[in-house]
Amino acid sequence: DIQMTQSPSSLSASVGDRVTITCRASQDISTSLAWFQQKPGKAPKSLIYAATTLESGVPSKFSGSGSGTDFTLTIISLQPEDFATYYCQQYKYYPFIFGPGTKVDLK
Amino acid sequence: EVQLVESGGGLVQPGGSLRLSCAASGFTFSDRYMDWVRQAPGKGLEWVGRVRSKAYSYTTEYAASVKGRFTVSRDDSKTSLFLQMSSLKTEDSAIYYCTITEGISPHVYWGQGILVTVSS
Repeated sequence: DIQMTQSPSSLSASVGDRVTITCRASQDISTSLAWFQQKPGKAPKSLIYAATTLESGVPSKFSGSGSGTDFTLTIISLQPEDFATYYCQQYKYYPFIFGPGTKVDLK
Repeated sequence: EVQLVESGGGLVQPGGSLRLSCAASGFTFSDRYMDWVRQAPGKGLEWVGRVRSKAYSYTTEYAASVKGRFTVSRDDSKTSLFLQMSSLKTEDSAIYYCTITEGISPHVYWGQGILVTVSS
């Protein structure tokens, strides 16, 4: 199975900060990579698929980049509603695997 | 509006069985691949399994941790997704979410989740 890692596992940031989360796959997954946001007690929400494509309705403050094995999620001008846990997921090969998550909290 | 509503969760003893349902509305159910994703308490997300559409013969895929014990199925006439779980283990305790695939986006929409607790 493909292994997915994320770094950092957590980070503290302030409102207005720019945040970058890294996701790495253990083998080439092309651009079959999605990002999800989850707030406490809520279902995850899809943010980005195909590594760089924003889901409908997701603000352009979120962006994704990368291909192959290395990917990033960037959030610019962090707002209170952006404090959450973020997961990447590869869907190139079965079984689909999620990264362990990155918790973004308020500094 | 897309709606996914899971039901059927609860407390079950180790070795027991449980069947989860997901009632879907607001989209063309029969065209879509459907997945189950779970989340153990305080843990990350784990993909459980998928059922493809009729066009792909309703074929299925599973995570290794549930293969042979869980079965994903669907009833397009009732726009419903199912997860039959058997030989349940304590480590299957989790919130189970049903999700929709749209195009190449694997989990566009999520249900609210249903809690399954496996305990004696």
